[in-house]
Amino acid sequence: DAGVTQSPTHLIKTRGQQVTLRCSPKSGHDTVSWYQQALGQGPQFIFQYYEEEERQRGNFPDRFSGHQFPNYSSELNVNALLLGDSALYLCASSSLAGGSKDTQYFGPGTRLTVL
Amino acid sequence: QQPVQSPQAVILREGEDAVINCSSSKALYSVHWYRQKHGEAPVFLMILLKGGEQKGHEKISASFNEKKQQSSLYLTASQLSYSGTYFCGASNTGNQFYFGTGTSLTVIP
Repeated sequence: DAGVTQSPTHLIKTRGQQVTLRCSPKSGHDTVSWYQQALGQGPQFIFQYYEEEERQRGNFPDRFSGHQFPNYSSELNVNALLLGDSALYLCASSSLAGGSKDTQYFGPGTRLTVL
Repeated sequence: QQPVQSPQAVILREGEDAVINCSSSKALYSVHWYRQKHGEAPVFLMILLKGGEQKGHEKISASFNEKKQQSSLYLTASQLSYSGTYFCGASNTGNQFYFGTGTSLTVIP
């Protein structure tokens, strides 16, 4: 049973560029959440997708957008990259239909470096 | 809204016990605990949904006091593999999730 997968593992971009990160949830999970983790900090909630809709959003600007596909996989898009966007981006999947509906399992993350 | 953890850092010798506390200013729906090793993703340890309920995972257990909006993680007879940063995570609506400030735990031989 594959866990949560993310691609790419590492990415280097320059300021002003746009980036798309991808996530495939654990089998049986229907909800995907995205987090940003700066070096030495805890993960910060960006947004959560369920049934292809954004259900909740953290305190992130509109430059951060996302999408969920019918197969539950998800993308995180960041436009007009800033140096401060450099971080580890984590995807977590969970199942709203499950008994422990909030249990989240994390993917290995995508390390984004903005130069 | 970010839960506050204490202590910020702790160093233990193998076999010693530790307690990590997590406190929120908002009412909690559930509390999760994760361990993250350097350069890796957080690994789920346990979730607590009911007030006062303790959950166990090997020699790691936790409690959740809904009234006080607090949770504690108990590590007994620590092993070298326990080293890492521990995060509590709190959900107050079931949708949005906040990680705590983190506790760095180092176990030395």
